[in-house]
Amino acid sequence: GNSVTQMEGPVTLSEEAFLTINCTYTATGYPSLFWYVQYPGEGLQLLLKATKADDKGSNKGFEATYRKETTSFHLEKGSVQVSDSAVYFCALRVSTGANNLFFGTGTRLTVIP
Amino acid sequence: EPEVTQTPSHQVTQMGQEVILRCVPISNHLYFYWYRQILGQKVEFLVSFYNNEISEKSEIFDDQFSVERPDGSNFTLKIRSTKLEDSAMYFCASKQESSYNSPLHFGNGTRLTVT
Repeated sequence: GNSVTQMEGPVTLSEEAFLTINCTYTATGYPSLFWYVQYPGEGLQLLLKATKADDKGSNKGFEATYRKETTSFHLEKGSVQVSDSAVYFCALRVSTGANNLFFGTGTRLTVIP
Repeated sequence: EPEVTQTPSHQVTQMGQEVILRCVPISNHLYFYWYRQILGQKVEFLVSFYNNEISEKSEIFDDQFSVERPDGSNFTLKIRSTKLEDSAMYFCASKQESSYNSPLHFGNGTRLTVT
């Protein structure tokens, strides 16, 4: 089946620290991979995506590389800011069958000054 | 930038009551979705809707649930007789194209609390 497993939180970092949030997946077919972010009081926003193996998605200093060999899509940022505090969701969508997203449980990140 | 809007932001209801969660998708979008997240669990797909009919639904979406696009702008989720386990955050989403790479735009969610 299709599923996403992501690192459990919460994660607390100091400003300017390096961030990694792990995400691995299982999928039938050839998935596209996504990271969504939910800032306090807001909806889920697409942060970045990658549609095929070895693609790197990037946005706002965040990056994630689609690794087919390890079925992973880890989110990284070199220097986090207080404004990055949010819940981050890894998700996948497969190209056949269900036209919907499969999400992980979300990882809450808190960045302290 | 156009947004998906959901109302109310928080709904409290008693077990057995009917609730209607409302969503206004982005105006030129054609595909509509409901997801839910029970506290501490994954965001789960409930239903997708296109061309005024359900295109897909999950096993969660049983006979207690229904969706409707009553007037060409609103997209509603109705739970006929709420149960305690329906307490969750409900997210509406929409997208413009059918392509599976086309991004979903989510609303802020409605937190439903069933007492």
